[in-house]
Amino acid sequence: AQSVSQHNHHVILSEAASLELGCNYSYGGTVNLFWYVQYPGQHLQLLLKYFSGDPLVKGIKGFEAEFIKSKFSFNLRKPSVQWSDTAEYFCAVTAYNTDKLIFGTGTRLQVFP
Amino acid sequence: DSGVTQTPKHLITATGQRVTLRCSPRSGDLSVYWYQQSLDQGLQFLIQYYNGEERAKGNILERFSAQQFPDLHSELNLSSLELGDSALYFCASSPRTGETGELFFGEGSRLTVL
Repeated sequence: AQSVSQHNHHVILSEAASLELGCNYSYGGTVNLFWYVQYPGQHLQLLLKYFSGDPLVKGIKGFEAEFIKSKFSFNLRKPSVQWSDTAEYFCAVTAYNTDKLIFGTGTRLQVFP
Repeated sequence: DSGVTQTPKHLITATGQRVTLRCSPRSGDLSVYWYQQSLDQGLQFLIQYYNGEERAKGNILERFSAQQFPDLHSELNLSSLELGDSALYFCASSPRTGETGELFFGEGSRLTVL
């Protein structure tokens, strides 16, 4: 069965610090990978996604993620965080051509000015 | 605003009771998904419907059931409620099945079982 691990449960940063959130998945076949974000009091929304092609994908608000197939990883990065990036971040995976989106447990990011 | 509407936003009930959560997907979306978010379990996939038919099943308890109606809205029924069922229940929708892409989430229904 597919599973997703997010090792950082709670990350605290100052504004302008760099961010990297880890995500590892377990599935032997082709996968589609996602990062979703949930701002306080809001619904989950898509940050970025990887289906195929360039393993470095860029999303909204300056976020990017790199798919490393050999490491089963899809880490999220941002060079310089802002206070408005305070949110919960979820990594998710689907097996190719299926609909079941499996989420990691989430990472709560707090950014202080 | 994602276009997905969930009601009620908050619900407080007692153990042993039954509740129904409702979801209206985005206009034109045929797939509806239900997720449960709790502090200790994270976001758990419960079930997916596509155009009225059950498409995929996750960690959904037998006490829970769901359906999607001809107008594409969906209901999640939770019965014989236990304290551990207290959670945020999310509905999401997407245009088609078999096309993995973006899910559009509602704001959730927060269920508290006392």
